[in-house]
Amino acid sequence: AQSVTQLGSHVSVSEGALVLLRCNYSSSVPPYLFWYVQYPNQGLQLLLKYTTGATLVKGINGFEAEFKKSETSFHLTKPSAHMSDAAEYFCAVSEPFGNQFYFGTGTSLTVIP
Amino acid sequence: DARVTQTPRHKVTEMGQEVTMRCQPILGHNTVFWYRQTMMQGLELLAYFRNRAPLDDSGMPKDRFSAEMPDATLATLKIQPSEPRDSAVYFCASGFTTGLAGGPRSSGANVLTFGAGSRLTVL
Repeated sequence: AQSVTQLGSHVSVSEGALVLLRCNYSSSVPPYLFWYVQYPNQGLQLLLKYTTGATLVKGINGFEAEFKKSETSFHLTKPSAHMSDAAEYFCAVSEPFGNQFYFGTGTSLTVIP
Repeated sequence: DARVTQTPRHKVTEMGQEVTMRCQPILGHNTVFWYRQTMMQGLELLAYFRNRAPLDDSGMPKDRFSAEMPDATLATLKIQPSEPRDSAVYFCASGFTTGLAGGPRSSGANVLTFGAGSRLTVL
């Protein structure tokens, strides 16, 4: 069985500061990993994904995440927060070509001017 | 850009009424998921289909919820009778999966695309 843990349901950062959102997973096989972002009153949008190849993946809006197998982590980072980054962020995992997607409980990011 | 289309975007109804939400998945996607999102419970999986066949609906209250895929371009989620506790945002998502454990890794597969959601309020 697979599961996803997002540490910190609420994260606040100052504008221009580093954003770090944590995600750990458990999986019996190397999974596919995803970060989704949800802006108010919208659906979830794919930020980035890791499926194969380079473990540091870059996504939209300056976000990136690194797959660390030894730590079973896939933390999301952005060097400099922008006001428009305020949103809910979800980490998700699936088995390669598997049916199921498992989502974390989400982290709400607040950016302080 | 290809998108998942959900209707209605907003629905206000009275307790006991039937509610039907519709979803048009992205052409070529073979897997459709229904999720419910509330402040208290977060994102919950209700049901999903692959190639129009229901694979798992264990997340749905069976007595009042039903999900179907009459054809490859339409998925429906029906609540009858609706209750105030059903008030939530319902999301449809589509993707391509094969369900073959241990299959070859690919950069292109297994991405879920979400619709904008249907916000349901049951009074």
